Amino acid sequence: DVKVTQSSRYLVKRTGEKVFLECVQDMDHENMFWYRQDPGLGLRLIYFSYDVKMKEKGDIPEGYSVSREKKERFSLILESASTNQTSMYLCASRGNTDTQYFGPGTRLTVL
Amino acid sequence: KQEVTQIPAALSVPEGENLVLNCSFTDSAIYNLQWFRQDPGKGLTSLLLIQSSQREQTSGRLNASLDKSSGRSTLYIAASQPGDSATYLCAVRQGSARQLTFGSGTQLTVLP
Repeated sequence: DVKVTQSSRYLVKRTGEKVFLECVQDMDHENMFWYRQDPGLGLRLIYFSYDVKMKEKGDIPEGYSVSREKKERFSLILESASTNQTSMYLCASRGNTDTQYFGPGTRLTVL
Repeated sequence: KQEVTQIPAALSVPEGENLVLNCSFTDSAIYNLQWFRQDPGKGLTSLLLIQSSQREQTSGRLNASLDKSSGRSTLYIAASQPGDSATYLCAVRQGSARQLTFGSGTQLTVLP
């Protein structure tokens, strides 16, 4: 069964903290994605990766970085968290079948 | 730049009704189109994927159609149930792009 897991369902951090969101997939997928979802703004792509150590900016990369050291793991890093990064963060992966699979999401609150 | 629109933003129907959700896109040079379901506070679940060469896909009570030339897709739900209540999103993948472009979704409520 296809599985994308995210390290936390809920996370509360302080302004200025460095935040790591982890995503792991067990399907040997090449492509992995990080989105944020906000009411009224829909899903917006932050970064994606199509191979180990490869990354591309999405629509809203400012304030974020990513890391993909192993094929199954894609990390999103908030270098210095700000209140406007309070959001639902969704990770996804996709392989050769073209179907995109999502994780359960991390609800991040920055105080 | 591809734009994906879903109208209406919200829909409420009585249980048992057949219904159609709409998705339109501005650039017809798509590689495929995918329909997702999202329950409140959860991630997205893939429902159906239609490749650009296909006209429709079916899974149980769901049927998705694709008309590339007119830039439209529909998701047909037969005999709706309260458990179908969720937000439904469509997303298109452009020809050579790796990422999807999402619509803003239709929030469906099926009343018992």
